Amino acid sequence: DTGVSQDPRHKITKRGQNVTFRCDPISEHNRLYWYRQTLGQGPEFLTYFQNEAQLEKSRLLSDRFSAERPKGSFSTLEIQRTEQGDSAMYLCASSLSTGGGNTIYFGEGSWLTVV
Amino acid sequence: AQSVSQHNHHVILSEAASLELGCNYSYGGTVNLFWYVQYPGQHLQLLLKYFSGDPLVKGIKGFEAEFIKSKFSFNLRKPSVQWSDTAEYFCAVSRTGNTGKLIFGQGTTLQVKP
Repeated sequence: DTGVSQDPRHKITKRGQNVTFRCDPISEHNRLYWYRQTLGQGPEFLTYFQNEAQLEKSRLLSDRFSAERPKGSFSTLEIQRTEQGDSAMYLCASSLSTGGGNTIYFGEGSWLTVV
Repeated sequence: AQSVSQHNHHVILSEAASLELGCNYSYGGTVNLFWYVQYPGQHLQLLLKYFSGDPLVKGIKGFEAEFIKSKFSFNLRKPSVQWSDTAEYFCAVSRTGNTGKLIFGQGTTLQVKP
């Protein structure tokens, strides 16, 4: 499968613990996005990378959240000191930067449950 | 700030009925428009997109959407739905020439009864 892959698919953690999600984008894609989706809502933008540079962060991304893309390939999203409100699906997506329109391809998401 | 509004949160149709899902966005500049679908247990998939040109765009599985610039709308249509169209549908917008960041509507759950 050459789509966007995410790991783990499901994570249950106790409040206060740290969690890390990994995303492997489509191999030739230089743009990578993280979104968060809660039940009954559309995905909300969290952050965006072009190659290894993190170019935009949403105000939703509190200082407990950190994302990296060290070599411009895979990315990680870490949540420190998790809270129950962090329970959501974390979606990774990737695309090419073609100047004009570009299609964003999504992974299957990582479900986080904070208990 | 950009926003996307989907008018119908939950739609129930019988097979062979026609479908129209409303989507309006708020942004004064040039935009790219998308409809994504999420089938139960699956990831978001692109149904169709509008970047420029003909405002009537055709997508996969018989879906189409019409961009009406004066109404800031991008409604999704299908003449005859099937049970397999049961899914959640999301309208999204991005600013042309921008990062490609998508702003999504809240989604519409479509349930098709066999």
